[in-house]
Amino acid sequence: DAKTTQPPSMDCAEGRAANLPCNHSTISGNEYVYWYRQIHSQGPQYIIHGLKNNETNEMASLIITEDRKSSTLILPHATLRDTAVYYCIVRLPRGETSGSRLTFGEGTQLTVNP
Amino acid sequence: GAGVSQSPSNKVTEKGKDVELRCDPISGHTALYWYRQSLGQGLEFLIYFQGNSAPDKSGLPSDRFSAERTGGSVSTLTIQRTQQEDSAVYLCASSLGGDYWYGYTFGSGTRLTVV
Repeated sequence: DAKTTQPPSMDCAEGRAANLPCNHSTISGNEYVYWYRQIHSQGPQYIIHGLKNNETNEMASLIITEDRKSSTLILPHATLRDTAVYYCIVRLPRGETSGSRLTFGEGTQLTVNP
Repeated sequence: GAGVSQSPSNKVTEKGKDVELRCDPISGHTALYWYRQSLGQGLEFLIYFQGNSAPDKSGLPSDRFSAERTGGSVSTLTIQRTQQEDSAVYLCASSLGGDYWYGYTFGSGTRLTVV
């Protein structure tokens, strides 16, 4: 699976958009980008995933660059409850890997300030 | 149940003792994973069960660690002769199948402290 690079920490004002970057310059053509987050003292929670098109759901939007070497997770109106560690993960999709796990890196600690 | 249930939520044990950690996955989820997270660190994969297939044990750090899954449902992670470096939060996750990557649901974890 491709390696990802994320800033260790970011701050955001409550109510503003939080834009979390992720670099994955070695991503291969059929690897997906996944985002999870981990709120303190809880297990990780799935947020969103995508291949090449931008994706949006009720939690967030995912913007993937045309060359797919980086992506940005956008929380449009951050709240205090969005304070968490956000993990960007790249891996192969169904049936195309002998691996069986998601590899979590260090992630980005997002702090939403009042 | 509605979510992945882990017990106990906290466990303090003396060095050298054995411990058992339990995970009750979401009903119908055939895939079950164990991870651990040391203080301030990322998640470390331990073991993966998928249906009746042989488990992927490649992440177990030593032969003191073992896990089983009975009846395709509840799983128990056993750590023998615990060491202080085993102190961590042990997280269990389940999903509909090994390919449903977005469908991982994690439990709240068991915080293990070895003194």
